Amino acid sequence: KNEVEQSPQNLTAQEGEFITINCSYSVGISALHWLQQHPGGGIVSLFMLSSGKKKHGRLIATINIQEKHSSLHITASHPRDSAVYICAVIPQGAQKLVFGQGTRLTINP
Amino acid sequence: SAVISQKPSRDICQRGTSLTIQCQVDSQVTMMFWYRQQPGQSLTLIATANQGSEATYESGFVIDKFPISRPNLTFSTLTVSNMSPEDSSIYLCSVSLNFYTDTQYFGPGTRLTVL
Repeated sequence: KNEVEQSPQNLTAQEGEFITINCSYSVGISALHWLQQHPGGGIVSLFMLSSGKKKHGRLIATINIQEKHSSLHITASHPRDSAVYICAVIPQGAQKLVFGQGTRLTINP
Repeated sequence: SAVISQKPSRDICQRGTSLTIQCQVDSQVTMMFWYRQQPGQSLTLIATANQGSEATYESGFVIDKFPISRPNLTFSTLTVSNMSPEDSSIYLCSVSLNFYTDTQYFGPGTRLTVL
């Protein structure tokens, strides 16, 4: 079993829908990252969380440390949001990231 | 912030040869990370390269196959040695200005195809 599990693996939605991507992890962590990878491969960091909630534009990320769970929400989704979203954690005591398998999001116009 | 460039951006290589990938950062950073992303997969850490010390390799990756240099705080190279088709992947370097509190920055990747 992977230390970091994401769901769903694939998600297709219509433009304007509210999107939720989930990330569960099995180890204690120092922090959690949400990353976005567009076709063509470039990876961009969206959020780094160690507690609570962060918002940037239409993106919201939350984390529940006790439940070992994080969610990434996209409001008013747009076709340009189509990408792979990756959850990655820093295990406590480690100096590395452990990655989930990614969620492929497709937003249709 | 940090801006990372990688060379080459892509290459097609013959089995048995070696390729050296360069990673250049516009800021001085202590830790640099090398990842492999196989087709359709997420990222896997190959090794952590700290300036002034030997790279630390993850389980399944060895120095003879993936030698790494880290001559200064802005530059690193990863060599993929004695390549086979199974080495066909995207190779990325990544840095953070402060690993535990700062965002991660990723290079654009090197897309390697081994024939």
